[in-house]
Amino acid sequence: QQPVQSPQAVILREGEDAVINCSSSKALYSVHWYRQKHGEAPVFLMILLKGGEQKGHEKISASFNEKKQQSSLYLTASQLSYSGTYFCGFHYGGSQGNLIFGKGTKLSVKP
Amino acid sequence: NAGVMQNPRHLVRRRGQEARLRCSPMKGHSHVYWYRQLPEEGLKFMVYLQKENIIDESGMPKERFSAEFPKEGPSILRIQQVVRGDSAAYFCASSLRLDRGYGYTFGSGTRLTVV
Repeated sequence: QQPVQSPQAVILREGEDAVINCSSSKALYSVHWYRQKHGEAPVFLMILLKGGEQKGHEKISASFNEKKQQSSLYLTASQLSYSGTYFCGFHYGGSQGNLIFGKGTKLSVKP
Repeated sequence: NAGVMQNPRHLVRRRGQEARLRCSPMKGHSHVYWYRQLPEEGLKFMVYLQKENIIDESGMPKERFSAEFPKEGPSILRIQQVVRGDSAAYFCASSLRLDRGYGYTFGSGTRLTVV
């Protein structure tokens, strides 16, 4: 089941904040976040495991609400280098050994 | 560590020809995944393999597409009798076990153009 990811696109000025959300209709084992720049491969950002946690990576952090089966990615004080498309990937565990990705959020940071 | 190696980076095929896409996982990774991405779209799961085994091919079209990950050598995604709709970027990723909290490392992708 594909994650429901929102918003589809965001335009920011440098220094502004953004939040990207992903939700699932069934229980998750873990949530993965990736960023892809145009014409390049997706790059791993972070993983959040069930149990509900929050992780940080420089000015990019994420949370995983296990009760709601939702994850959010927080980008604070955005930089030009943050531009790209962000994908959440859901791992449902059990017999499902791969990630199912959301449709992506295109983030554009302007000077 | 060379990372995940995919080749070729770009591949042009005429309709009806065969396309072979190769992927060498990161050293120590035994799990390989193939995804397809159309322009401005997300990553669509195709197949998940371990050495000599197809674990999940639920995302693979039933005809013309096949994948393998032999004991020796890279994983191969094979598309027979290509059609224009096969034009896309194909990404390979490798991992240790997802259920142990590991994530994917992606290769640079193969851009397939069918003319």
